[in-house]
Amino acid sequence: AQTVTQSQPEMSVQEAETVTLSCTYDTSESDYYLFWYKQPPSRQMILVIRQEAYKQQNATENRFSVNFQKAAKSFSLKISDSQLGDAAMYFCAYRSISSGSARQLTFGSGTQLTVLP
Amino acid sequence: ETGVTQTPRHLVMGMTNKKSLKCEQHLGHNAMYWYKQSAKKPLELMFVYNFKEQTENNSVPSRFSPECPNSSHLFLHLHTLQPEDSALYLCASSPSRGASGETQYFGPGTRLLVL
Repeated sequence: AQTVTQSQPEMSVQEAETVTLSCTYDTSESDYYLFWYKQPPSRQMILVIRQEAYKQQNATENRFSVNFQKAAKSFSLKISDSQLGDAAMYFCAYRSISSGSARQLTFGSGTQLTVLP
Repeated sequence: ETGVTQTPRHLVMGMTNKKSLKCEQHLGHNAMYWYKQSAKKPLELMFVYNFKEQTENNSVPSRFSPECPNSSHLFLHLHTLQPEDSALYLCASSPSRGASGETQYFGPGTRLLVL
């Protein structure tokens, strides 16, 4: 079974600065998807960014980018020019391409990001 | 808003009560999910429905009973819950389970407290 580990329960960043949230995962598969989801306080969880494992190029979405290190099984999220609205719980998630129950999303325990004004 | 709504947003119930959580999606999706989110723990997938058929039940106790009358609605019926069942219950939907990379869209959740 796959596992996802987020070793930083809490992080803080100064507004306009850059912060990196770490995520590692364990799998024996060669192809899969990785996701970062954001859950603001009392608001719905939304997708931030998605990476396909067979693509070597790191995904980017505006101020959000990932550092995908397949050999190291690492998938960190970098937030540039942090804004107050970036404050949220961030979840890393893994999804197999295999069939059946293995294709469910496996989530990490989350990193609570605080943005300081 | 993600197009997925959940009611009620907050629920307090006794251990002998029976209540239901409701989820509705307005996205035309065919797959719907129930997750349990407890403090400082990863989200736990509870049930998956695809085209109204239950495709996964992750060893969830029988005191949780899902119902999916159509692709737009999903219910979670609760009875004789335990205090450890207190958590945020999230509903999600996705186009279908056919594509591994598809995004799941989450509702705002129901905060459940069992006394």
